[in-house]
Amino acid sequence: AQSVSQHNHHVILSEAASLELGCNYSYGGTVNLFWYVQYPGQHLQLLLKYFSGDPLVKGIKGFEAEFIKSKFSFNLRKPSVQWSDTAEYFCAVTARGSQGNLIFGKGTKLSVKP
Amino acid sequence: EAQVTQNPRYLITVTGKKLTVTCSQNMNHEYMSWYRQDPGLGLRQIYYSMNVEVTDKGDVPEGYKVSRKEKRNFPLILESPSPNQTSLYFCASSSRQGIYEQYFGPGTRLTVT
Repeated sequence: AQSVSQHNHHVILSEAASLELGCNYSYGGTVNLFWYVQYPGQHLQLLLKYFSGDPLVKGIKGFEAEFIKSKFSFNLRKPSVQWSDTAEYFCAVTARGSQGNLIFGKGTKLSVKP
Repeated sequence: EAQVTQNPRYLITVTGKKLTVTCSQNMNHEYMSWYRQDPGLGLRQIYYSMNVEVTDKGDVPEGYKVSRKEKRNFPLILESPSPNQTSLYFCASSSRQGIYEQYFGPGTRLTVT
């Protein structure tokens, strides 16, 4: 069965610090990968996605993620975080050709201190 | 505006009292899904529907029912709610072509006492 692991439960950073959130998945086939963000009290929004092609994908608000197939990883990065990036971040995976079932990680809460 | 709507947004009920949470999308999407979000567990899929009259179980379907009589609506039914169903529920939809890119509703916070 597919699963997604997010290594950090809660990350606390100061503004302007660099961010990297880890995500690993377990599935041997071809996958589609996503990062979603949930701001306090709001619904999930898609940050970025990887389907194929360039393994370095850029999303909204300056976020990017790199797909490393050999490591089954899809880590999220941002060079310089802002207070407004305080949110919970979810990595998700779905198997190519599946019924669209998204498997989510447990989430990483990011707190950015002003 | 393209959106997924859910009602109610907040609901407090008692054990055993049947309830329905509605979900509606205005994007003509074929695929719709329900998730529950619990602290430390992330989001888990309850049920999904590939199209009208086609539904299937997700990872945590016990205690829930769904129906898909119309393309735009996908209600979640709790016939006999129990306290362990206290959670935050999200509905999502996507087109068949963009099946992997789901749009989420605002969430329904349910408390069962």
